[in-house]
Amino acid sequence: QSVLTQPPSASGTPGQRVTISCSGSRSNIGNRDVYWYQQLPGTAPKLLIYKSNQRPSGVPDRFSGSRSGTSASLVISGLQSEDEADYYCAAWDDSLSGRVFGGGTRLTVL
Amino acid sequence: EVQVVESGGGLVQPGGSLRLSCVASGFTFSDQYIDWVRQAPGKGLEWVGRSRNKAKSYTTDYAASVKGRFTISRDDLKNSVFLQMNSLKTEDTAIYYCAPLTAAVDTRGQGTLVTVSS
Repeated sequence: QSVLTQPPSASGTPGQRVTISCSGSRSNIGNRDVYWYQQLPGTAPKLLIYKSNQRPSGVPDRFSGSRSGTSASLVISGLQSEDEADYYCAAWDDSLSGRVFGGGTRLTVL
Repeated sequence: EVQVVESGGGLVQPGGSLRLSCVASGFTFSDQYIDWVRQAPGKGLEWVGRSRNKAKSYTTDYAASVKGRFTISRDDLKNSVFLQMNSLKTEDTAIYYCAPLTAAVDTRGQGTLVTVSS
């Protein structure tokens, strides 16, 4: 069981808006920044969102992140076929003194 | 050009040891915190441990699952970080990724596969 909870799957059609949630606790998301990663099949995870809502250079503005209380969300607007991938949230956990990941959400573009 | 290259993986018997290396270029390595993250076959991402920078006295932290068995070290002069893995278990089988904690550049490596099996 992962410390951060994500839905195992999500789906949408091209052009749609999709939201992936990440639920934690006060010791992680409640007090720490959230990071989101995208992993395409057979490749290393790519940083998508850092510090809860910041996009690295080169990441399309279709991707956005937010954090509220002990939960965080990744929103993909204008879904594209190349967005089909696994998405993971992560945060530092003060109680565990370690970084924790969500179990991952597999996004399917229908 | 940014490059992150992990190496040192392979097949090892339970109870054995392995040392992974990660060499980076194209960004200021010495400023960065460096994580090791692993992914077992068909599973999600698991954080292994962290090496902080000189400003944070090169402190390290480890996941409970590897604490006492794995040790992270770094050599900033060689832009390298290492993961010494001892007392390996079958459940340590995974692809291991070196992950510099910077958003300024894309620091993805290809990972290195560690297989623990008799």
